[in-house]
This record gives sequence, structure tokens and C-alpha cells, in this order.
Amino acid sequence: DSGVTQTPKHLITATGQRVTLRCSPRSGDLSVYWYQQSLDQGLQFLIQYYNGEERAKGNILERFSAQQFPDLHSELNLSSLELGDSALYFCASSPGDSALGGYTFGSGTRLTVV
Amino acid sequence: KNEVEQSPQNLTAQEGEFITINCSYSVGISALHWLQQHPGGGIVSLFMLSSGKKKHGRLIATINIQEKHSSLHITASHPRDSAVYICAPFGNEKLTFGTGTRLTIIP
Repeated sequence: DSGVTQTPKHLITATGQRVTLRCSPRSGDLSVYWYQQSLDQGLQFLIQYYNGEERAKGNILERFSAQQFPDLHSELNLSSLELGDSALYFCASSPGDSALGGYTFGSGTRLTVV
Repeated sequence: KNEVEQSPQNLTAQEGEFITINCSYSVGISALHWLQQHPGGGIVSLFMLSSGKKKHGRLIATINIQEKHSSLHITASHPRDSAVYICAPFGNEKLTFGTGTRLTIIP
């Protein structure tokens, strides 16, 4: 157990639907990062939150949104889902606002859009 | 051109062999992570290094900041080392990921 908890582990849904992925960071970590890993691509950075505020944005689609709550857990919302959104979604956490101070991944959520 | 290039993309070796995976990157960085992704999908951070060499058990990582190159070595490889190894340089306040090297160790 890495200390980073992601739920659910698996999710199957239909095109056009909306889903929410949840991430609880390791105890004491203030940053949460979201990544997408598709079959034909490597890890793609989506977005980072630090202590409740958006810190950095990557290749996140407008149909996707995220937030970090006061208890530091984070949710990634994916809407108007398309077949191409099928992927592994990882979150990671770090103590500070960058990946220099230690970096821990969750086990991922496998999203299948049918 | 990708910012991060890993080689080889795929590597199959016999148990006990010495393994080297290479990573070259094009941007200036302050540190580099090596990650391990097992067939089940989970990702583990193996090393973060910004200079020289780090060793953890049978794993050794080296980095040459000036040459923009890092290597991951595995000594006395074992089938449980079979995984995808990903290098991730940290520069411009973000992590960039290589596409990974798929390592298969045959008993």
C-alpha cells in the first residue's frame, strides 16, 4: 500500500456519461497530481493541485475538471465521455508543490468507455 | 521529437543477466525519477536523483546532467523484475515521461 488511495479501481461506463474518480493523498502530502495513461501513449499529465489550489495544468480536456477539497482529497470529473477516454487514470501525491520532495503514485483507476 | 527518449523500447533477457536501460532528454532538468510499472498497472517510484549515482538493492541509477542522460541498471536480474520502466525528468516545474522500456526476464 503506497498510502495514496484511488477509487474506484475499475469503472465501465457508456459514451456520453459522466464519472468521478477519487484520490486520497498520502498522509501529510499537500499536492495531488492527475495523469492519464492510454494504451498508445505514455503517462500524460493532466493537472496538479496544491493545498486546495490549482498549481499547474497539463493536457486536460475541457470536458474534464478536477478539484481538491479542504481535507486534501481530490476528485477528477470526466464528462461527455468518448471511447478514446478509456485509459488508466493515476493520481500521485507529494509533500510540497513540486515532484522534487518525494512522489507517490496510487494504484490507478481503469476506465473503460463502451 | 519527444522530449524524453528511452532505449530500448523492449528488452528480453535471461535470469541473472545485467540489464541497462537508457534515458535521454532534451530540456534542462533539476532531477529525474525512475518509475516501475508492473503488469497489474501500479506505478512505484524507484529513484529520484539529481546527480551522480544511487543504489537500492540490485538497482543502480546514474545521471549525467551535462550530457542529459540517465541509466538504470539491474544486476542479477530476476523474473520479478519484469515490468515497464519509465524515466521522468523534472524540468520547467513539471515532470515529463518517457514511453517506457518493457523488460521481460525469462527464468
